[in-house]
Amino acid sequence: GAVVSQHPSRVICKSGTSVKIECRSLDFQATTMFWYRQFPKKSLMLMATSNEGSKATYEQGVEKDKFLINHASLTLSTLTVTSAHPEDSSFYICSASSGGRALEQYFGPGTRLTVT
Amino acid sequence: QKEVEQDPGPLSVPEGAIVSLNCTYSNSAFQYFMWYRQYSRKGPELLMYTYSSGNKEDGRFTAQVDKSSKYISLFIRDSQPSDSATYLCAMRDGSNYKLTFGKGTLLTVNP
Repeated sequence: GAVVSQHPSRVICKSGTSVKIECRSLDFQATTMFWYRQFPKKSLMLMATSNEGSKATYEQGVEKDKFLINHASLTLSTLTVTSAHPEDSSFYICSASSGGRALEQYFGPGTRLTVT
Repeated sequence: QKEVEQDPGPLSVPEGAIVSLNCTYSNSAFQYFMWYRQYSRKGPELLMYTYSSGNKEDGRFTAQVDKSSKYISLFIRDSQPSDSATYLCAMRDGSNYKLTFGKGTLLTVNP
């Protein structure tokens, strides 16, 4: 149980274009989903937290107009990187929580974004 | 001082060894402590979580939390080459979901 998928696993886009990443909880309903960035040999940096049907809460320093998050259902959240630049190249990972006692988060496999 | 400190390693051990991974933290409000395993180019996989102080065992894995020392550990018994990965500690307080992660320790178990 507690499987989270992400699509695509890898994407290359040109500078100035937008790219959408999907995160799905496959066998549970995720009341809350999270989006992280991870740079090589670095830990995960939380970008934003989203609850189904409400606006995402962004961490300090994360541009909400650049990283658009939609959590339209209890099993799907999307992250859209708008007007991508090479510095947006990173490993983006989502996680989902069903609201268990420890509010444990289950992570997706990640999406490698390369902006050329 | 960073909120969570974790030795990045790398740590290399022979197959069958007992592995000890550790994190220290500074925020006394942390109550939930987790260990994640991350294989290269994959998302983290939740191994164990512990609430407050104490020990928790699951198969070859044992998690320990000492809140008085602000120190947590993960022990892996009879380590296997398949245990080779980066191990991340993570923790949070009781008020919200936000996890604070360590940088991860890269472990290699040699056959």
